[in-house]
Amino acid sequence: QSVLTQPPSVSGAPGQKITISCIGSSSNIGAGFDVHWYQQLPGTAPKLLIFGNSNRPSGVPDRFSGSKSGTSASLAITGVQVEDEADYYCQSYDSSPSGLDWVFGGGTKLTVL
Amino acid sequence: EVQLVESGGGLVQPGGSLRLSCAASGFTFSGHDMHWVRQTGKGLEWVSAIGTAGDTYYPASVKGRFTISRENARKSLYLQMNSLGAGDTAVYYCVRVSPCGNYHCFDHWGQGTLVTVSS
Repeated sequence: QSVLTQPPSVSGAPGQKITISCIGSSSNIGAGFDVHWYQQLPGTAPKLLIFGNSNRPSGVPDRFSGSKSGTSASLAITGVQVEDEADYYCQSYDSSPSGLDWVFGGGTKLTVL
Repeated sequence: EVQLVESGGGLVQPGGSLRLSCAASGFTFSGHDMHWVRQTGKGLEWVSAIGTAGDTYYPASVKGRFTISRENARKSLYLQMNSLGAGDTAVYYCVRVSPCGNYHCFDHWGQGTLVTVSS
C-alpha cells in the first residue's frame, strides 16, 4: 500500500480536462513537502512532468498543470490528447524514524477514449 | 545528453545476492545525488540514495540488505543487494536527482534493469 493515494485509473475523451488526485497526510504533503509528478509512457521509464507542486520542466506542454493544498495535490491535463495516455505518479517526502523517505503514489493509468 | 545505463539484473535464487551497476554520462556525476528506484506491478518504490559526499539513505524495507555506493572517477553508481526475496523482484532504475523548487526531484531516469528472484 502506497503512502500517497491516487485513483487507479481515470479516462477522458480527447480535448476534455482530467484531474488526478494525490492524497497524503500530515507526515508528508501536509508537512509542507513539495509534490512532483512523473509520466510513464508505455514501455518507457518515468519522466519528470511537474516539479515543486506546479512547475513544468522545459519541454512539457502547458496543458499539464499541478497544484497542492493541505494534505493533497492534483495534476490536471487541460485538453487531453491521445499521446497523453500513460501512467502518472505523484512523489513527495515522508518523515520516518530513520529520516526522510522519498514516497510515491500508487500510480494512475490515464486512458484517452 | 544525460544518459544512465543500468546493468547487472537477472535471475537470482531466494536468499541470493546481486550487484547492479549504472554508468552515467553527459553530466558532472560527482555533483549530483543519485538514487535507485524500483518498479513492480504495484508501482514505484524508492530503494536507496547516495549524496555527493557519500552519505547513504535507505527505506526500512531494504535497510541492512542493500548497499548503495558510487565511484565518481568511473561515473558509476552501484547497488549491492543481499538476502533477496520474492518481494525484491522488480525493474530497478538508476535515477539522477537535481534541485527542484524547495527540494529535489528525480530529473533523469535510466531505462531500468530487471531483477527476478525465483527458485
